[in-house]
Amino acid sequence: NAGVTQTPKFQVLKTGQSMTLQCAQDMNHEYMSWYRQDPGMGLRLIHYSVGAGITDQGEVPNGYNVSRSTTEDFPLRLLSAAPSQTSVYFCASSRQGRATFGSGTRLTVV
Amino acid sequence: AQTVTQSQPEMSVQEAETVTLSCTYDTSENNYYLFWYKQPPSRQMILVIRQEAYKQQNATENRFSVNFQKAAKSFSLKISDSQLGDTAMYFCAFMTHSGAGSYQLTFGKGTKLSVIP
Repeated sequence: NAGVTQTPKFQVLKTGQSMTLQCAQDMNHEYMSWYRQDPGMGLRLIHYSVGAGITDQGEVPNGYNVSRSTTEDFPLRLLSAAPSQTSVYFCASSRQGRATFGSGTRLTVV
Repeated sequence: AQTVTQSQPEMSVQEAETVTLSCTYDTSENNYYLFWYKQPPSRQMILVIRQEAYKQQNATENRFSVNFQKAAKSFSLKISDSQLGDTAMYFCAFMTHSGAGSYQLTFGKGTKLSVIP
């Protein structure tokens, strides 16, 4: 009964470092997404996937990469972290008009 | 592209009173879903209520109800008998039903609701 699991919950990076935010779901949902939340901006779509092997860009994709090798996992990669990527990141999976969110990752880039 | 507008950045309400949060959206789609999410300080995104666009009847969930006006593209949330635990950020969100980007969410910027004892 895990739903959507995101790791880590908190992370501090130095500018230029790389890291991967992990997201896994156990509901067999085809649709998965990554959002970032910034103060006063709501949640904005970074990348999404409509199934294994298929990904596409959302509203704010620059600086992020994704892949979807399995239905369950949808990792988000920051190749060279920048202070502008300081944010809270949410992963979500969706099916038939219902979305389930992970608990979020608070990322700080210094 | 869809847009969602929440025109009230902050609101407050006395405990046990009723408050209405506004949301308007813009889309050329005919089939879609609308949501209100609650985000308490724990930052967890909690679904409050969901509306399917093809349903004319307004959705209700206990103390929460919506006024869905499809022609006006309006989707307001009414909270009755407000409780201290309702203090949170509230986000209105739109989900497409078909085509590119299906089942992805577009969010408004949020309304910070404070319930005053």
